[in-house]
Amino acid sequence: EIVLTQSPATLSLSPGERATLSCRASQSVSSILAWYQQQKPGQAPRLLIYDASKRATGVPARFSGSGSGTDFTLTISSLEPDDFAVYFCQWQGSFGLGTKVEVK
Amino acid sequence: EVQLVESGGGLVQPGGSLRLSCAASGFTFNNYEMNWVRQAPGKGLEWVSYISGSGRDTIYADSVKGRFSMSRDNAKNSLYLQMNSLRAEDTAVYFCARGGLPAQYWGQGTLVTVSS
Repeated sequence: EIVLTQSPATLSLSPGERATLSCRASQSVSSILAWYQQQKPGQAPRLLIYDASKRATGVPARFSGSGSGTDFTLTISSLEPDDFAVYFCQWQGSFGLGTKVEVK
Repeated sequence: EVQLVESGGGLVQPGGSLRLSCAASGFTFNNYEMNWVRQAPGKGLEWVSYISGSGRDTIYADSVKGRFSMSRDNAKNSLYLQMNSLRAEDTAVYFCARGGLPAQYWGQGTLVTVSS
């Protein structure tokens, strides 16, 4: 079973700052990694990035993904108010525990 | 417009059963495999089960194998999750999601609470 480890657990930043979120897989997943945003617990996740670096339909360009193999990064170039949320990485049926991006 | 609407959640006692439904619209339902994903209170996302477009093939997470059964009625554009022998740890919001994972389209979720 592949385990996805996200870091940090919480990221405290101000609007306009750059956010860098990490997801590490316990073994190689090639480039088959996705990122989701969840605004509130219990709300439907929103797909942001698939295949490690491809933006889903309608996702703003300030969101970008990179990485392959075991190490992946989601970058938000300049945080907007709606971006303060929880972010999950996913490979097939495995999800990371999430990184909460909160207002500093 | 793609829509997925879950229903059937509620409060059930440990050991009880519940059947969740997911009504799909806005796309050709039988062309898409489907998944159920859940989120326990204060926790992350957990994949629960998968079904192929025809309904012939299903896969389950170890945590629900033998207790949950996923099915679909393509004539009714509906997806189901029959949950038996429910445990406290099954308490969660249950989402249906279109297609394989990663999924672009998710329902709004339905809350299942297992408690005496």
